[in-house]
Amino acid sequence: GAVVSQHPSRVICKSGTSVKIECRSLDFQATTMFWYRQFPKQSLMLMATSNEGSKATYEQGVEKDKFLINHASLTLSTLTVTSAHPEDSSFYICSASYLEGQPQHFGDGTRLSIL
Amino acid sequence: DQQVKQNSPSLSVQEGRISILNCDYTNSMFDYFLWYKKYPAEGPTFLISISSIKDKNEDGRFTVFLNKSAKHLSLHIVPSQPGDSAVYFCASLGGGSNYKLTFGKGTLLTVNP
Repeated sequence: GAVVSQHPSRVICKSGTSVKIECRSLDFQATTMFWYRQFPKQSLMLMATSNEGSKATYEQGVEKDKFLINHASLTLSTLTVTSAHPEDSSFYICSASYLEGQPQHFGDGTRLSIL
Repeated sequence: DQQVKQNSPSLSVQEGRISILNCDYTNSMFDYFLWYKKYPAEGPTFLISISSIKDKNEDGRFTVFLNKSAKHLSLHIVPSQPGDSAVYFCASLGGGSNYKLTFGKGTLLTVNP
């Protein structure tokens, strides 16, 4: 069964809207979660590492003010796409591991479409 | 610069035959490799992994081979089943304490009945 839950699965909204995506680890505590983005026919690209109780670590080229990450608890991380524009339309997916070195478990992703 | 490359975007095999999915990497610091399987509208699910100290890992119908000198790994599925039809991602993990995955672009496997 799913160990990482992501919500919502699909969002369609107008340009300028801020969108929040939630990622929950269902039956384990995840001190670290990861946020990825995937464009069509491209690989999953790591955007940021979400750390419980501290600031997220962003990959090069990812705008911190654009993609706000909050790791509020050991089971919840949120990604907020602020003032979204059509170029932000993509597939966003989160993951978490039980322990460092263990395989990451992924949520089912969020398809974001900005009109 | 793609550090993990899956050069075949798609592969089609007959049910019961062997499926071989290939992956190449460029970063010699990678020390752990994973294969994920992804169905449409779902997140990737972990399939099998291999540490760089090994050259083979087997789990049921799935075997992963690692050739460090060639920086190449492959996933063998035998016998292939129609339910194996999915996108397969190769991913690598860097050395050190971080566990950031680097993914290939994926290969769409279609197993025909």
